[in-house]
Amino acid sequence: ELKVEQNPLFLSMQEGKNYTIYCNYSTTSDRLYWYRQDPGKSLESLFVLLSNGAVKQEGRLMASLDTKARLSTLHITAAVHDLSATYFCAVDMSRDDKIIFGKGTRLHILP
Amino acid sequence: DADVTQTPRNRITKTGKRIMLECSQTKGHDRMYWYRQDPGLGLRLIYYSFDVKDINKGEISDGYSVSRQAQAKFSLSLESAIPNQTALYFCATSDWGAGANVLTFGAGSRLTVL
Repeated sequence: ELKVEQNPLFLSMQEGKNYTIYCNYSTTSDRLYWYRQDPGKSLESLFVLLSNGAVKQEGRLMASLDTKARLSTLHITAAVHDLSATYFCAVDMSRDDKIIFGKGTRLHILP
Repeated sequence: DADVTQTPRNRITKTGKRIMLECSQTKGHDRMYWYRQDPGLGLRLIYYSFDVKDINKGEISDGYSVSRQAQAKFSLSLESAIPNQTALYFCATSDWGAGANVLTFGAGSRLTVL
C-alpha cells in the first residue's frame, strides 16, 4: 500500500527566508506532482516530476525528485506573503494509476 | 463555465439520508476521480474511473458508491449518510497527457451530515 508523507505539516516563516518541504513515499513510482490550495479554494497543479533527477522551477518555488530515495522536495526561496497556502504532493502508482496525496503542508508566511 | 463542475456546492443533510454528489466535465478527459478532504488528513481517494466501464476503488470506498453515466459525468453516492462523512468532496479529471496524470479539480462540494 502506497503511503505518502509530507513534513512539516505546518510551517510559519518570515518573508525573505528559505525553506524546504519534504515528500517521502513508500513504493516505487516515478511520477510525482505538487499542488497548491489557497484557503477556501480548490487545488491547482504546480509541478509535474516524471523521472529521477527531475527539477522544475517557477518563480520562488523549485521542486525536485529523487526516485531512488523516494523523496521529493519543494524549495521556497526568499519567501513572500503571496506564497502562503497549503501545498500537497501526490504520487501516481504505476501499477494501477491510483493518485495518492500527502496530508499537505500549510505554509504561513509572515510579512 | 468551469471545466469541472460539481453540484451541489454545499449540502446539509441528516444521518441515514441518501445523498448524491454530481460531477461533470467539459475537458474531454477519460479519467475521473473522487476525493474527500478532511482537516489534517489531506485528500483521500474514494473511487476513480478510466471510462464508463472501468471503475476502481480507492483508499476509502466503504460507505460510498459511484456511477459513471457518460464520459463527462461521474456521480458519488452516500447510500445512508453518517456524521463522519462530513467533509469537503472534490471531483477531478485527467487525460494522461504526456505520460502524466495531472489532475484538474472541481470547486468542491461541502457536505455536512447531522
